[in-house]
Amino acid sequence: NAGVMQNPRHLVRRRGQEARLRCSPMKGHSHVYWYRQLPEEGLKFMVYLQKENIIDESGMPKERFSAEFPKEGPSILRIQQVVRGDSAAYFCASSPSGQGPEKLFFGSGTQLSVL
Amino acid sequence: GESVGLHLPTLSVQEGDNSIINCAYSNSASDYFIWYKQESGKGPQFIIDIRSNMDKRQGQRVTVLLNKTVKHLSLQIAATQPGDSAVYFCAEKNYGGSQGNLIFGKGTKLSVKP
Repeated sequence: NAGVMQNPRHLVRRRGQEARLRCSPMKGHSHVYWYRQLPEEGLKFMVYLQKENIIDESGMPKERFSAEFPKEGPSILRIQQVVRGDSAAYFCASSPSGQGPEKLFFGSGTQLSVL
Repeated sequence: GESVGLHLPTLSVQEGDNSIINCAYSNSASDYFIWYKQESGKGPQFIIDIRSNMDKRQGQRVTVLLNKTVKHLSLQIAATQPGDSAVYFCAEKNYGGSQGNLIFGKGTKLSVKP
């Protein structure tokens, strides 16, 4: 039973490029959450998705950031026109449907570096 | 602003000793708290949780204490082992937020000396 899979593990982009981060939830999980972690900081909630629906995007910047979780395939966090301030570790978590935050399982993250 | 924070950024203990990691929260309406362990290069791993109708909960070698009067949370690790070395985060369910919308503290780095 594979855990939450994120790829790539490391992503390097130049300013102005696009970054696409992928997350495959644990088998049987239909809820996905994205968090961002700056160095020496705790994780900050960005967005919560169910299949084909965005449930809570209160933590996601209004511009340049978008997320999706299609019926088939992984969840994608997309950052357009990246800036240096976007450099961070991005973590995805998943949970079984109807479960609370105590059932969150985190992936190993994608480290985004913007040059 | 941040509603969850930690008193000590780093903690160094001798192997076999007990460790205590502290956390303060500011939202008195919060009703659910979690402790996570994060090893280098990995995502957070659930350790233990507690609801606001309890003041103590025990797991395997870990105990979480909740003091609602002073809005304080602590994680106690008994007989600390080298494998316990990691950054520990307390997290609070965002009151009024959706499931999985957690507010994390900044973390305490625990170093275990052999």
